[in-house]
Amino acid sequence: GGIITQTPKFLIGQEGQKLTLKCQQNFNHDTMYWYRQDSGKGLRLIYYSITENDLQKGDLSEGYDASREKKSSFSLTVTSAQKNEMAVFLCASSIQQASAETLYFGSGTRLTVL
Amino acid sequence: GEQVEQLPSILRVQEGSSASINCTYENSASNYFPWYKQEPGENPKLIIDIRSNMERKQTQGLIVLLDKKAKRFSLHITDTQPGDSAMYFCAARKASSGSWQLIFGSGTQLTVMP
Repeated sequence: GGIITQTPKFLIGQEGQKLTLKCQQNFNHDTMYWYRQDSGKGLRLIYYSITENDLQKGDLSEGYDASREKKSSFSLTVTSAQKNEMAVFLCASSIQQASAETLYFGSGTRLTVL
Repeated sequence: GEQVEQLPSILRVQEGSSASINCTYENSASNYFPWYKQEPGENPKLIIDIRSNMERKQTQGLIVLLDKKAKRFSLHITDTQPGDSAMYFCAARKASSGSWQLIFGSGTQLTVMP
């Protein structure tokens, strides 16, 4: 089995700050995702990447950048943190887009903006 | 963006009874419908899924039904136990610019009371 590691687990930022969240997977999966989880709103897709150096926007991409530096890692940047923002950011991976559908999630990064 | 509606948002049932969660989707081209369970403090995990060429699937006390005409799918948990208490998310897969995205519902918080 593999594992998805998200760092940091907890992230506290200031309004307007640029914040970066990191995700590593050792499944050797092709596709990686960033989802945002807000209470009462489920999981919303921010960015995903089908393969190394690929980047695709989800429905919630505004205000974020992402980078797939290598197959095993996918980072997400909050370009300007919003005051009182609180959410959990979940990274996930899957074998490949076309056929395999199961997403394996990391344990999340909990963001608080003061 | 595409929506997946999930109801109810909160569900409380007595131990041993059944629990049902319903989801509707918009895109008739959606062909894959997974269900994820997220226990407190944990990451979401796939528990059961159904493809568009099926109407019913059952595994270990879980039943999923798919009505493509109505664009509706549902999860039924029979003989609920306290360990079934968790957040449940439905999702529908949609095509997007040559790749696929999973669109999640807003979640159902299930509590099984002893």
